[in-house]
Amino acid sequence: GDSVTQMEGPVTLSEEAFLTINCTYTATGYPSLFWYVQYPGEGLQLLLKATKADDKGSNKGFEATYRKETTSFHLEKGSVQVSDSAVYFCALRTLYSGAGSYQLTFGKGTKLSVIP
Amino acid sequence: ETGVTQTPRHLVMGMTNKKSLKCEQHLGHNAMYWYKQSAKKPLELMFVYSLEERVENNSVPSRFSPECPNSSHLFLHLHTLQPEDSALYLCASSQDDGSVAFFGQGTRLTVV
Repeated sequence: GDSVTQMEGPVTLSEEAFLTINCTYTATGYPSLFWYVQYPGEGLQLLLKATKADDKGSNKGFEATYRKETTSFHLEKGSVQVSDSAVYFCALRTLYSGAGSYQLTFGKGTKLSVIP
Repeated sequence: ETGVTQTPRHLVMGMTNKKSLKCEQHLGHNAMYWYKQSAKKPLELMFVYSLEERVENNSVPSRFSPECPNSSHLFLHLHTLQPEDSALYLCASSQDDGSVAFFGQGTRLTVV
């Protein structure tokens, strides 16, 4: 079945440090890929997405490139801020077989803490 | 404001209680979802409703019973839960064309 593997957290960085959170996936076909962010006490919010190979999603200084050859979608940011402290989830979207509906498969999440 | 509203935000219930979680979306979406988020585990898809018809339940125990009376509302009825059912329950909605899913803030459920 489809699956997403993220690097284990927690990740602790100093403000203005470079961030990479690794994400690899296993899926049949060509799924769409997403990064969601969950701030403390909140639900998930879409951070960025990519729908086909070599697409780069970007938002709020975060970027991720859909790499079909390595089945990866690593999240990066050049300079993190304290306000980026949250849990980050990598996800893929595939079509239910025979149901005509979609599902999201999530990784376990990576907790990021940014200290001043 | 995410467009998806869940109530209550927090719920504590005994194992013999019956309660319901509510989700409401005003985004015009035609698919709604229930997810369970437990510590150190991936988000688990529990139920999917597309055009108000259930299309997947992923072998969820029968003590969880979903209801989707219309495309804007989704309920999760709970009865005789176990302590291991304590988790954050997240509702999401999307268009059934596979576009982006929007999540509510979740209901933090504690079973005592």
